[in-house]
Amino acid sequence: DIQMTQSPASLSASLGETVTIECLASEDIYSNLAWYQQKPGKSPQLLIYYANSLNDGVPSRFSGSGSGTQYSLKINSLQSEDVSIYFCQQNYDSPYTFGAGTKLELK
Amino acid sequence: EVQLVESGGGLVQPGRSLKLSCVASGFTFNNYWMTWIRQAPGKGLEWVASITNTGGSTYYPDSVKGRFTISRDNAKSTLYLQMNSLRSEDTATYYCTRDRIIRGFDYWGQGVMVTVSS
Repeated sequence: DIQMTQSPASLSASLGETVTIECLASEDIYSNLAWYQQKPGKSPQLLIYYANSLNDGVPSRFSGSGSGTQYSLKINSLQSEDVSIYFCQQNYDSPYTFGAGTKLELK
Repeated sequence: EVQLVESGGGLVQPGRSLKLSCVASGFTFNNYWMTWIRQAPGKGLEWVASITNTGGSTYYPDSVKGRFTISRDNAKSTLYLQMNSLRSEDTATYYCTRDRIIRGFDYWGQGVMVTVSS
């Protein structure tokens, strides 16, 4: 199975800051990576697919990058509504595995 | 508007069975793969089962293979998950999702809670 390691596990940032979350795959997943946002008490929502493609309706302050085994999610100009848990997920090979999540809080 | 509405959850004893349903609306159901994903309380996300748009092929991780069966009725725009031989570790919120394969799971239901306990 492909292991997905996210870092950091949690982070605290101020409004307007730029934050970056990392995701490391245990083998090359050829950009088959998605990012999801889960707000407190809600279902996850797709933010990014294929490493860097923004899903419909997602604000442009979110961006994804990376290749091979290393990927990142960047949030520019942090807003209060971005307080969430963020998960990465590989859809290159079954079983389709998720990272453990990064909890983003406001400082 | 795309909607996915799950039902069928509840409290069940270990070793018993439960069947979840997910009614889809707002899109052409038979054009899309569908997937169940679960989340144990306070934990991360786990892929549970996927099915092709025709229902001709299904996919499972080892943790549920042989116990869970995903199926669909395209005439009713409904997805199912039959869960047998349930274990305490199957306790989770189960989400029905629309699966765009390499483009990710782009719509999620509100989730349905399954608790396996004696």
